[in-house]
Amino acid sequence: SSELTQDPAVSVALGQTVRITCQGDSLRSYYASWYQQKPGQAPVLVIYGKNNRPSGIPDRFSGSSSGNTASLTITGAQAEDEADYYCNSRDSSGNPWVFGGGTKLTVL
Amino acid sequence: EVQLVQSGAEVKKPGESLKISCKGSGYSFTSYWIGWVRQMPGKGLEWMGIIYPGDSDTRYSPSFQGQVTISADKSISTAYLQWSSLKASDTAMYYCARQDYYDSSGYSLWWGQGTLVTVSS
Repeated sequence: SSELTQDPAVSVALGQTVRITCQGDSLRSYYASWYQQKPGQAPVLVIYGKNNRPSGIPDRFSGSSSGNTASLTITGAQAEDEADYYCNSRDSSGNPWVFGGGTKLTVL
Repeated sequence: EVQLVQSGAEVKKPGESLKISCKGSGYSFTSYWIGWVRQMPGKGLEWMGIIYPGDSDTRYSPSFQGQVTISADKSISTAYLQWSSLKASDTAMYYCARQDYYDSSGYSLWWGQGTLVTVSS
């Protein structure tokens, strides 16, 4: 399969921990990358590789992977983390076409 | 600093042609894949295709093969996305993004600001 499946919506109480998951066969071969997108803005990379954060991304964001599932965890969610989150991986030919449908995170 | 700067918003009629651009700076433009991502109103992200400006190797997502053309002019560090005949369903925000690799897995740290294309009669 060349698809990635995400829950459409997840909510978390302010300061609590939330896990956003991404499932797909390509994740058995490739790491997922994770993107945060706020309304009217371009996507921002938050996690790539095994568990790497670009400069400027808070350490409350972390990534993990097991089998065909990749996870993005936010430990101590903040109001500014409310956004859409997308996972992305490569297909069997090594092209980056495979995006998850996105998860809308609400911070209560 | 790496920057990807896209051309401005466009309003077109169905059937018209269009070419939008993405100018890279702050890095070796010919050494990285760069691609285009579509986001239709209220919808998710979709990779359309990528190009390696060093040798113009171009690949298209199956969903977009034959629908658009991706090109690059390495002399001016600019990638392009073009349509020969626009449809109303092409109305979307289009982002360019540089593709980097970690342990053979890809990721995009650098994104353009987006170009809004509106197709309406």
